[in-house]
Parts: sequence; structure tokens; C-alpha cells
Amino acid sequence: GAVVSQHPSWVICKSGTSVKIECRSLDFQATTMFWYRQFPKQSLMLMATSNEGSKATYEQGVEKDKFLINHASLTLSTLTVTSAHPEDSSFYICSARDRAGPRGHEQYFGPGTRLTVT
Amino acid sequence: AQKVTQAQTEISVVEKEDVTLDCVYETRDTTYYLFWYKQPPSGELVFLIRRNSFDEQNEISGRYSWNFQKSTSSFNFTITASQVVDSAVYFCALRDYNQGGKLIFGQGTELSVKP
Repeated sequence: GAVVSQHPSWVICKSGTSVKIECRSLDFQATTMFWYRQFPKQSLMLMATSNEGSKATYEQGVEKDKFLINHASLTLSTLTVTSAHPEDSSFYICSARDRAGPRGHEQYFGPGTRLTVT
Repeated sequence: AQKVTQAQTEISVVEKEDVTLDCVYETRDTTYYLFWYKQPPSGELVFLIRRNSFDEQNEISGRYSWNFQKSTSSFNFTITASQVVDSAVYFCALRDYNQGGKLIFGQGTELSVKP
């Protein structure tokens, strides 16, 4: 149980285009999902917290107009990188917080999406 | 503000050696959670342990053990008889009970176990 998937697992796009990354909780409902970014040889940095049915909360320094987050259902959150540039190339990881039950405090990570912008 | 420091950027050991990964944290809150994650080359984070601030008992799981000391704000991780498969980046993380689940990660320690 407690599986989080991400799609795609990797993507290459041209500079100026937009890319959408999906994060799904497969066997539980997640009222809260988190999006992290990890540059090579660096730690994970939280970009934003998304709550189902409401606007995402972005961390300081993260452009909300560039990184669009939509948490449309209890099992799906999407991150859209708009007008991507080479500096957006990174490893994007989502996590989902289980809504209820004994796993209520747990946060489960997806496998990550590697984005390369050429 | 919350902060996690992993002072060791890289560690290299020979198989069967014991190795300890250090983690020091800062928080003003009395209720919090500490975590260790393993990130192999594939990139997927593997959960290793969660410890809440009220439980200072040390924990052992196979070759892994954790030493939580509130007095020094440390949560160190020891691998006994290391194996090549232990090679990965290890992250220590802090979650404040009242911060809605945000995880603050340390910088990570890259462990290389050589045969």
C-alpha cells in the first residue's frame, strides 16, 4: 500500500515549451501533496504545498506563474512548468500525505520526474 | 527556523566497515519528527525511519541503527558491516508537527561502499 506514482518518469523538452508532470496516490486519498525540486548533487527543496480544492502555497522564491500546480482530486496533483528554460532542468519529486487512518501523518514519495530542457 | 545539517558531504568506506552518518537539527518546537531517507542512483527516495521528539529510544533494524539525542539535537545513523548495496545518498529530514507536513531536508551524505 501507500504507493505514489509520477508520470512521466523523464521528459526532454525544448526551451519555451510547457511540461506537465502528474503525481497520483494509487491506493489512498491525499488531501495534501508536496512538490520538491532537486538539482544534481543537491538536496530536495520544497517548491509548494498543494491542498485538494484550493490554491497551492508556494515557498519563497518559487514563481507561482511559472510552476502551476493543480490539485483537482484527492488522488491527483499536477505540476506544469510553463515556458521551460534550461535552468529548469531538474529532478522533480512529489509526495502525498495520507488523509486518514494510522498513516495519517505519513508522507509518501513518488519516484520522481527528470526534466531536461534543451 | 527549522534547519537540518549533515556535515559529511561524502563518505567512502570499504565493505564490512561500520559507518556513522551525522545529523544535527534545529527547531524551536517541542513536537517534531525526524526522518532518514536513502536515495539510490535511481533517484527514488526510500524511507528508512521516522522518530518523534518524545521517543528518545535508540532503534535497531538489522544492520541499521539510529541514535537520537535531544540534548545535542542529533539523530545519527549507523550502518554496521556496510555492503556495496548501501552506496547511496542519505538524507536526514525534520518535520515540524505544526507545519502541515513540510519536510526540511539536510544536504545529504553520499556514501560510497567499495568492495
